[in-house]
Amino acid sequence: DTAVSQTPKYLVTQMGNDKSIKCEQNLGHDTMYWYKQDSKKFLKIMFSYNNKELIINETVPNRFSPKSPDKAHLNLHINSLELGDSAVYFCASSQAGVSTDTQYFGPGTRLTVL
Amino acid sequence: GDSVTQMEGPVTLSEEAFLTINCTYTATGYPSLFWYVQYPGEGLQLLLKATKADDKGSNKGFEATYRKETTSFHLEKGSVQVSDSAVYFCALQHSGGYNKLIFGAGTRLAVHP
Repeated sequence: DTAVSQTPKYLVTQMGNDKSIKCEQNLGHDTMYWYKQDSKKFLKIMFSYNNKELIINETVPNRFSPKSPDKAHLNLHINSLELGDSAVYFCASSQAGVSTDTQYFGPGTRLTVL
Repeated sequence: GDSVTQMEGPVTLSEEAFLTINCTYTATGYPSLFWYVQYPGEGLQLLLKATKADDKGSNKGFEATYRKETTSFHLEKGSVQVSDSAVYFCALQHSGGYNKLIFGAGTRLAVHP
């Protein structure tokens, strides 16, 4: 059973297109996250949701819009894709959003913008 | 702001060698500290964690001790295997709310037979 799943695993698209990445967790967690890993493997938080409510938005361009239809899902929609958006995007979840919680990561979505 | 500094890689070791990957942090308050591992082509897996000073996290032969006096959380393993080859990330999670993980730059470990 996959705890945190993401689709698609790979996404190749042209500049200017709009795309979405989906994330689902079956752990019953209240908090979900999106992280971006760049080509040098550096990981940075983008967004966090707690019970469908946005609690972290880390100076991400407004072309990126997260949506949480319920607490088990957190999707990431990206408008007008740019070359610099090429990266691996990881979804994660944790129980209650406190500092001692472990975050569980999905397998990642490798986005390539041509 | 909060930050995590890891030793630069790659670290190349022979099988059964001793491993240390240094990690130091800067944070206000009392963060929790984590080591995550990323195997080639995969996502991040929690390796171990410590949530307060002097706690030792351990898993799969890896250990790290939360040292508040030196603001460090160095990762050690007594005898590495080829299967330990991966990228290792040190991270902190702040107690001040919003619960975001702040990662170090990652250290690539390559173990050869």
